[in-house]
Amino acid sequence: GIQVEQSPPDLILQEGANSTLRCNFSDSVNNLQWFHQNPWGQLINLFYIPSGTKQNGRLSATTVATERYSLLYISSSQTTDSGVYFCAAFWGKLQFGAGTQVVVTP
Amino acid sequence: EPEVTQTPSHQVTQMGQEVILRCVPISNHLYFYWYRQILGQKVEFLVSFYNNEISEKSEIFDDQFSVERPDGSNFTLKIRSTKLEDSAMYFCASVYPSADTQYFGPGTRLTVL
Repeated sequence: GIQVEQSPPDLILQEGANSTLRCNFSDSVNNLQWFHQNPWGQLINLFYIPSGTKQNGRLSATTVATERYSLLYISSSQTTDSGVYFCAAFWGKLQFGAGTQVVVTP
Repeated sequence: EPEVTQTPSHQVTQMGQEVILRCVPISNHLYFYWYRQILGQKVEFLVSFYNNEISEKSEIFDDQFSVERPDGSNFTLKIRSTKLEDSAMYFCASVYPSADTQYFGPGTRLTVL
């Protein structure tokens, strides 16, 4: 099956800082999604991004399908951005990466 | 905005007991999934369901697990005889065409004592 690797595993940011999270996947995929898992454990859809670039407020994502990676950018981070960020690649089902634990400090 | 709902939000059960986790997918969606997440680990695929039958299942989804769509709106996951290692967050997801955005429910946290 598809292997999905995320980096870095942990990230500590000061409020206001920018950061980039990376997701590598081992094979061609039909779909790639980014999620934010909040402190209550809920998976919040951030982006559906099989290719190209999308922006939603302070978050943006880019997927380069031919090179099998996706990037999630967080700009001007806030404490509410804390949590675990997962990418997941679809080939019949979603295969999740291990996540990046983000802590934003005031 | 339509959303996937799951009940209960928390379930505590004794080892060996049967549990049924319930999900109501988004109404016009055609593909349904169950995933689970053991505390501190990544989300893992359990089973996919389309056209009233299982389309794919993982090695985790053994004979103790079953899924059903009994009435055209609910989608259930049954664990016949729970084990300690079944303790996890269970997520239901649905999608309209299969490769589009999967929408996840809020999860059911299952604790097996």
